[in-house]
Amino acid sequence: GQQLNQSPQSMFIQEGEDVSMNCTSSSIFNTWLWYKQDPGEGPVLLIALYKAGELTSNGRLTAQFGITRKDSFLNISASIPSDVGIYFCAGLNSGGSNYKLTFGKGTLLTVNP
Amino acid sequence: DTAVSQTPKYLVTQMGNDKSIKCEQNLGHDTMYWYKQDSKKFLKIMFSYNNKELIINETVPNRFSPKSPDKAHLNLHINSLELGDSAVYFCASRQANTGELFFGEGSRLTVL
Repeated sequence: GQQLNQSPQSMFIQEGEDVSMNCTSSSIFNTWLWYKQDPGEGPVLLIALYKAGELTSNGRLTAQFGITRKDSFLNISASIPSDVGIYFCAGLNSGGSNYKLTFGKGTLLTVNP
Repeated sequence: DTAVSQTPKYLVTQMGNDKSIKCEQNLGHDTMYWYKQDSKKFLKIMFSYNNKELIINETVPNRFSPKSPDKAHLNLHINSLELGDSAVYFCASRQANTGELFFGEGSRLTVL
């Protein structure tokens, strides 16, 4: 099946620093999504990307859909303590009603105040 | 109002027991999912229903049986629970024609 390689696995940064994480795939996706999971909660959608080359921002978050359709990155600028959590990329290939989302293994972000 | 709600949030039970987790969404979505998150936080799809019809069924032991009485509900029944079934199970629903999933808060299952 399709696999997503997400890196880094974990990051320890100081408050105020910028963060970058990315996902690569062995196959093409037509949608990329980025989710954040807080402890004890379900993943929450941060950004959705639908076109190759698309660059989308959501506050301090910016994500891009790679031109090859096989990768995506997420940047967080000026990190704050509440950015702590697990960030997941997810890729989607939709066919008919079969929308199957494949998740990366997550990036655990720790922000030191 | 909670968009996707699961019950129970925590479930501790003995090996061999049968248990169910319930999920309801009030978003009006047609498609619902069950995902399993293991101790390493990996999210793996188990099932998906579209308008009460099973459309995704990954390689999951047949001890796991989803049931969708209507498009707003997707329940998960697990027979003969095993230690390896311990995980957090997430229900999700999807907005039509997009890949955007909305997740519940998860149900943490511990099998002793």
